[in-house]
Order: sequence, then structure tokens, then C-alpha cells
Amino acid sequence: QSVLTQPPSASGTPGQRVTISCSGSSSNIGSNYVYWYLHLPGTAPKLLIYRNNQRPSGVPDRFSGSKSGTSASLAISGLRSEDEADYHCATWDDSLRGPVFGGGTRLTVL
Amino acid sequence: EVQLVESGGGLIQPGGSLRLSCAASGFIVSSNYMSWVRQAPGKGLEWVSVIQSGGKTFYADSVKGRFTISRDNSKNTVYLQMNSLRAEDTAVYYCADSTAGGGAFNMWGQGTMVTVSS
Repeated sequence: QSVLTQPPSASGTPGQRVTISCSGSSSNIGSNYVYWYLHLPGTAPKLLIYRNNQRPSGVPDRFSGSKSGTSASLAISGLRSEDEADYHCATWDDSLRGPVFGGGTRLTVL
Repeated sequence: EVQLVESGGGLIQPGGSLRLSCAASGFIVSSNYMSWVRQAPGKGLEWVSVIQSGGKTFYADSVKGRFTISRDNSKNTVYLQMNSLRAEDTAVYYCADSTAGGGAFNMWGQGTMVTVSS
């Protein structure tokens, strides 16, 4: 059981906007930055969003992150077939004194 | 090109030992915080261990006392020695740069699969 809670799956059609949620607590999301990773099985995960809402260079602005209280969200607009992947949220947990992850959300582009 | 390449995974019996390696190129492991993160089949990612640039090491409770992280600066390689392996250690193991801290992993390897089974 992961410390952060994500929906196991999400879906959308090309061009649509989808959001993926990540729920935590005051000891993790509530007091630390949130990070998002894109992961295609069999490949190296890729940092997508850092410090809640910042994009590394090379990440399209179709991807955006937000945080409110003990929850965070990743939004993908203008959905494309190549966005089909697993998305993981992560943050630091002050109680566990280590990084924690969500269970991952598999995004399907219909 | 900056790259992390893991190796050393395989099939091992419960109670056995295995050493994973993470070779870095275009990147100096001793100047950074290097972590191991794993993903069990059908599960989310789980942080396992970190070795800081100063050499301090930390572990998840699930592996404390059984796993040891180390590095060889001359080979620019990070290791994960895994002892007393259990079925629940079955996972793809990734090494990653966690220098930024706080859940940030800027660069990852492609992973190596460890299967613990009799």
C-alpha cells in the first residue's frame, strides 16, 4: 500500500484534458513539494513536474501541476496518443523521513 | 551523454544475496546523492536507499539491516548489496539521482529485474 493515493487508471480521447490526483497527508504533501514522473514500462522514469508546478526543460506546457493542502494534481491538456503511460506522484514524508510515492496511474488514450 | 545503467539482477532463492550495480557516465556519482528505487509487479514505486555525496547512507525500514548501499568512486558506480532476500523484494530496481532531495529524482536508469523465488 503506497503512502500517497492515486487512482489506478485514467483515460481520455485525443485533444481532451485529463487530470490525475494524488492525495496525501500533512506530513507529506501538506508540508513538502510534489513531483510527478512519467513512466513507460521497461524504460527509465522521467521527471515531468518538480516543486509542485515547475516543468523541466523539454517538457511541453501541455503538462501542468498544482497542489492544494494535502492533495496535488497533474493536468494534461491536448491529450496525445504518446501520453499513454504510467504517472507517479512523489514527495518527502517528514514522519517517515524519506521520499514516498503514489501507486501510479495508468493513462489510456482512447 | 548522461546515463545510468543498472545491472546484476536475476533470479535468486529466498534467503539468498545479490549485488546490483549502477554505472554512471557523464555524471559523477560521488558529487551527488544516489538512490535506489524499486517497483514490485503491479505496485507503485518505493524508495529503497540513498548514499549522500558525503557518504552518509539511509534506508527504508523494509530493507534496513538487509541491504547496503555503497559506491566506488574510481569506477563511478553505485552498488546495492541485498542479503536475506524475500519474495517481497521481487521488483525492478532503478538507480536515480536524488541530489535535489525531497522526492525529486532528476535522472533514472532503465532498471534491473530481481526475482526472489524458489
